[in-house]
Amino acid sequence: GAGVSQSPSNKVTEKGKDVELRCDPISGHTALYWYRQSLGQGLEFLIYFQGNSAPDKSGLPSDRFSAERTGGSVSTLTIQRTQQEDSAVYLCASSSTGYNTEAFFGQGTRLTVV
Amino acid sequence: GQNIDQPTEMTATEGAIVQINCTYQTSGFNGLFWYQQHAGEAPTFLSYNVLDGLEEKGRFSSFLSRSKGYSYLLLKELQMKDSASYLCAVGRGSYIPTFGRGTSLIVHP
Repeated sequence: GAGVSQSPSNKVTEKGKDVELRCDPISGHTALYWYRQSLGQGLEFLIYFQGNSAPDKSGLPSDRFSAERTGGSVSTLTIQRTQQEDSAVYLCASSSTGYNTEAFFGQGTRLTVV
Repeated sequence: GQNIDQPTEMTATEGAIVQINCTYQTSGFNGLFWYQQHAGEAPTFLSYNVLDGLEEKGRFSSFLSRSKGYSYLLLKELQMKDSASYLCAVGRGSYIPTFGRGTSLIVHP
């Protein structure tokens, strides 16, 4: 596609429910990243994919968080048993190689856990 | 790990010049990025420095000193639309940046 697409744009969920956030990177981009941004805060790195593998998932805050990428394209970030502290904007970015190249960000998914 | 510091907020006048500083401590440094983020929008790429010195791109310039762990973003001829958050990010190893908290720039008439 023309840019990085994320869905849904907004998600309100009840505490304890599971949520899935989707990212469609720019076609041909091998590197894909997930970040989290809380209100007024910087971007917190969650996980990095190169192709379908995740060489670095050190930023995932707990085992309730997981992510996968299939076909070297679409990625899904899953949060199980959501907590109120999970409320944030989840941003996905992709880049052509991942090696110090410009990253293109999606508009993000605003997750609100009530 | 890495530590990235930049001022939380800066204000400047339309038409003026502003310099946003960023200091970092990191292992495996492999370049420094600056991104711009308007409120409620996604970050957009501004610049990338891997060698020491100044990179100029229109009204925006970015400087890097690897030995000092220091970078700055220079914005000239400020416009109201430049009001945004400016994110300094350090490239580590073979993949993407770790971001600082960002500097909120307010441009007033």
